[in-house]
Amino acid sequence: QVQLVESGGGVVQPGRSVRLSCAASGFAFSSYGMNWVRQAPGKGLEWVAVISYDGSNRFYGDSVKGRFTISRDNSKNTLYLQMNSLRPEDTALYYCAKSRRDLDYWGQGTLVTVSS
Amino acid sequence: VVMTQSPLSLPVTLGQPASISCRSSQSLVYSDGNTYLNWFQQRPGQSPRRLIYNVSNRDSGVPDRFSGSGSGTDFTLKISRVEAEDVGIYYCMQSTHWPLTFGGGTKVEIK
Repeated sequence: QVQLVESGGGVVQPGRSVRLSCAASGFAFSSYGMNWVRQAPGKGLEWVAVISYDGSNRFYGDSVKGRFTISRDNSKNTLYLQMNSLRPEDTALYYCAKSRRDLDYWGQGTLVTVSS
Repeated sequence: VVMTQSPLSLPVTLGQPASISCRSSQSLVYSDGNTYLNWFQQRPGQSPRRLIYNVSNRDSGVPDRFSGSGSGTDFTLKISRVEAEDVGIYYCMQSTHWPLTFGGGTKVEIK
């Protein structure tokens, strides 16, 4: 069965960096685009970034463009989100979701809190 | 593309129907002829779960009391008879245009 397990979240100071990981299993990871979606506490869903199956194409939401980088390692079945220059408004539960357009499976999320 | 859901809150009596509207600021018909409009359910304390894809296709394991309909810019999620396990927040999402965008959510609760 499809499993997506995020990790790497925690409390980080404004302006610092953190890298999230999403370990995938139960499907042919290297054949699917992948997304990051976030949810601020008590708020709705916000799409963050997408990467194509082979990593050749990447797109970002305006709120994170230039600060976040999505990447993947198909040999390790793992998706990443490098988050730099973090701001308090980046505080959220970060989910990885399978498939470029479908978002048919989601992980349980990893919480990033940006606070001094 | 702005996705606008209504209502924000939907109190429903058990066994009664429920309907959620989702409108997009532009057509969601893609050049391949598909309309990439999805519905997600987020139960309290859980991750979102996809219920419906491409307007009206139910995901595996989704009860048939859930149905999706619509076209162009106007879409609806219906629950024919609400059960206690349906409590949560429902989101529509379009993936026809980039960036992907979600509706603001509709909270379904039991009266």
